Amino acid sequence: AQRVTQPEKLLSVFKGAPVELKCNYSYSGSPELFWYVQYSRQRLQLLLRHISRESIKGFTADLNKGETSFHLKKPFAQEEDSAMYYCALKAAGGTSYGKLTFGQGTILTVHP
Amino acid sequence: DTAVSQTPKYLVTQMGNDKSIKCEQNLGHDTMYWYKQDSKKFLKIMFSYNNKELIINETVPNRFSPKSPDKAHLNLHINSLELGDSAVYFCASSQGLSSYEQYFGPGTRLTVT
Repeated sequence: AQRVTQPEKLLSVFKGAPVELKCNYSYSGSPELFWYVQYSRQRLQLLLRHISRESIKGFTADLNKGETSFHLKKPFAQEEDSAMYYCALKAAGGTSYGKLTFGQGTILTVHP
Repeated sequence: DTAVSQTPKYLVTQMGNDKSIKCEQNLGHDTMYWYKQDSKKFLKIMFSYNNKELIINETVPNRFSPKSPDKAHLNLHINSLELGDSAVYFCASSQGLSSYEQYFGPGTRLTVT
């Protein structure tokens, strides 16, 4: 079974401060990890995925297989980063192939 | 130019009623999904269809029945609605099960009174 855990339901930081949204996963195979974001009154959308290893809107996330983590980081938070963030794991095969399992979500609030 | 659309956006109904939520995508994708987001914002997959065939069917009560008339549509019919069915239901689509990105609809907020 696959599981994704985001330990922080709410996270508040001030503008310009570093931010880290935690994500841990449990999966017996080789996972694909993603971060999805939902801004106020907008649709849930893909922010980034571990395979691409790219920075999107200043955010990066590194897959740490030893710690089974995929934390999302940004060195200087902006007010427009305020949103709901979901970490998600995709099964690579088996009967759950293609299934996206989401964490509980973290609401990030960036104060001015 | 909406990619994934859902109707209705809001649905308020009484316990015991039967209701449907419709989803349409114009992205040319062959895979569609239904997710349920509960009051705690927990998002969980319910079903997925690939080329009109049911691929993923999570532990969902039989009162929920998805129907895919074609690859661009995936509707969700719910019988005998219960209070616990109150949630936001999201439709999503992707190009194949292996696609790295799913495109989500705006959600349908269902309230059962």
